Amino acid sequence: GESVGLHLPTLSVQEGDNSIINCAYSNSASDYFIWYKQESGKGPQFIIDIRSNMDKRQGQRVTVLLNKTVKHLSLQIAATQPGDSAVYFCAEFLGRQGGSEKLVFGKGTKLTVNP
Amino acid sequence: DAGITQSPRHKVTETGTPVTLRCHQTENHRYMYWYRQDPGHGLRLIHYSYGVKDTDKGEVSDGYSVSRSKTEDFLLTLESATSSQTSVYFCAISGFPGEQYFGPGTRLTVT
Repeated sequence: GESVGLHLPTLSVQEGDNSIINCAYSNSASDYFIWYKQESGKGPQFIIDIRSNMDKRQGQRVTVLLNKTVKHLSLQIAATQPGDSAVYFCAEFLGRQGGSEKLVFGKGTKLTVNP
Repeated sequence: DAGITQSPRHKVTETGTPVTLRCHQTENHRYMYWYRQDPGHGLRLIHYSYGVKDTDKGEVSDGYSVSRSKTEDFLLTLESATSSQTSVYFCAISGFPGEQYFGPGTRLTVT
C-alpha cells in the first residue's frame, strides 16, 4: 500500500552544520512531493516542493533531492540555525480527481539545533 | 499563515456536547480541508470542500460534519464530542493542486 515515512524520528545537529532529513515513499504514481516545517504550537508551513520529473530543487538554504529509483526523498538544510528547530515532514501528492485531493503525509522528524 | 485563521484556538469541552470549529480564509481559494493531528498518526484528513456547499469525507470522518456556506468559511462540527476526538485540528487551503497552506490549529480537549 501507499505510505510516506521517515528514516529517523529525531535528528540533533550543531548550529552551522548541514542537516539532512530523509523520507521514503512507496507509491510511484505521484505528481510531486512537498516538505513542511512545523514549529511547536503552530501549523505546518510549506517549505519547498519538487515535481516527479525533477531530481533536485533548491530554495533558500534548502535543497530537495528526489531519487525515484529507490523511492527516496531528502531535505537538506545548509548552515542550520536554531530557528530551524522544528518537526519536518514530507507529503506525497497523488493527484486531484474531481473534488478529492490525495495528499499523504509522513509522521515527521524532529530536528533539534544545538547552539 | 497564508491568510487563514482558526477559532477558537483552544477549547475544553465535555463528552457528549456539540462543538463547532471555524476556519476562515482571505485567499479566495476554492479548496479547503480539515485535518486532525495526533501523535503517531501524523495529519489525517477529516473532510474537505471543493466549493461552496460542495463537501466530501476524508479518511477519518466518523463523528464529524462540515458546512461551507461561503467561500471564506469552512466549519467543522463534532456532533457529540468523545474523548477520542481530543486532538489538534488544522484547517488548510489550496489554490494550486497539492500545495496546501495550513492555519494555526485548534487544540481541542474532550473531558
